Amino acid sequence: GQQVMQIPQYQHVQEGEDFTTYCNSSTTLSNIQWYKQRPGGHPVFLIQLVKSGEVKKQKRLTFQFGEAKKNSSLHITATQTTDVGTYFCAAVSSGSARQLTFGSGTQLTVLP
Amino acid sequence: KAGVTQTPRYLIKTRGQQVTLSCSPISGHRSVSWYQQTPGQGLQFLFEYFSETQRNKGNFPGRFSGRQFSNSRSEMNVSTLELGDSALYLCASSWGGQMNTEAFFGQGTRLTVV
Repeated sequence: GQQVMQIPQYQHVQEGEDFTTYCNSSTTLSNIQWYKQRPGGHPVFLIQLVKSGEVKKQKRLTFQFGEAKKNSSLHITATQTTDVGTYFCAAVSSGSARQLTFGSGTQLTVLP
Repeated sequence: KAGVTQTPRYLIKTRGQQVTLSCSPISGHRSVSWYQQTPGQGLQFLFEYFSETQRNKGNFPGRFSGRQFSNSRSEMNVSTLELGDSALYLCASSWGGQMNTEAFFGQGTRLTVV
């Protein structure tokens, strides 16, 4: 079955530092989604990437989809305390029997 | 507009019992997906319903089942509960399907099996 590796599992940064989380799939993906879950909250959709090599930006957040559509990254520039939470990728496999698999998440702590 | 509503928010059941969880999607959304979230296994996809039909299914035993009604509300049932079924159960609604479009999650139902 489809496997999705997300690293790192935890990341502590000083406020103002940058942060990146990576997702890697064992198979080619149809598309990939990113979610953020605040402590005690529920996942909130951030973005969806569909095209090979796609790059999308949302203010300080930059999302990339690899050329081979097997990996993706989320980069936050100049983190703020409001960025605290767990970031998940959700990978959708390609082919007729599509599956949606969540990465294990990266828990981000931002120290003031 | 109102968000995704899950009821109940908290539930305590005894091993061997069965449980039914409810999810009311955002008005106009035809897709409802269910997830199990645990500290050890993370977020795992259970199944997705679209216009009353199960469209996708994760790797869970047959004790986990669901259905969707004509008004898009969905229920999830777990029979013969096991201690390992203790988890946060989340549902997500979307207009075109979880795999293609933005999904909105509910607050979840925290199930504890004792």
